[in-house]
Amino acid sequence: GENVEQHPSTLSVQEGDSAVIKCTYSDSASNYFPWYKQELGKGPQLIIDIRSNVGEKKDQRIAVTLNKTAKHFSLHITETQPEDSAVYFCAATRGSSNTGKLIFGQGTTLQVKP
Amino acid sequence: DTGVSQNPRHKITKRGQNVTFRCDPISEHNRLYWYRQTLGQGPEFLTYFQNEAQLEKSRLLSDRFSAERPKGSFSTLEIQRTEQGDSAMYLCASSLGQGVSSYNEQFFGPGTRLTVL
Repeated sequence: GENVEQHPSTLSVQEGDSAVIKCTYSDSASNYFPWYKQELGKGPQLIIDIRSNVGEKKDQRIAVTLNKTAKHFSLHITETQPEDSAVYFCAATRGSSNTGKLIFGQGTTLQVKP
Repeated sequence: DTGVSQNPRHKITKRGQNVTFRCDPISEHNRLYWYRQTLGQGPEFLTYFQNEAQLEKSRLLSDRFSAERPKGSFSTLEIQRTEQGDSAMYLCASSLGQGVSSYNEQFFGPGTRLTVL
């Protein structure tokens, strides 16, 4: 069935360093890949997304890359700050399907040390 | 506040009781989703509405679960005869779908945390 694998499960970096989180997906029909940030006690917040017709997208300190052939995509955070500490989730979906349900990865707990 | 809202934010109940949660999506969003999230896991899809029609239900949604979106606006999720395994965060998301070829930016509410004793 549809599956998204996410690595690493935990990531600790020093403030100012870069962080990279990687995901692989199984459904080759997936064509929309959002990333969410979830803080304790809150719902997931959409931070960036990428569609299958592009290979890379950047928004200030955050970038996402997509390799459709290998079926993997990655989140890159540069110049990390303590407020980046949170749980990050990748997801995949068939945007052109009737439902658009998201299949989530297991999450990565990012800790940015001051 | 024009985001997705959910009520209540927390619910503690005894095993065997019924509970109902409410979700108010972003205005004019025609698509509404329910997900369940257990500790340390990503959200898992439960069910999907397009306007008032429930178009997909996950295998996770046993017959004790029922969801409605009677007027295509707010939605309710009811769990009957709750079990301890139902303890989780129940998340609602909404999006503006514009046809089968549309992408699907989903915006989540804060969730309802259910604890079944």
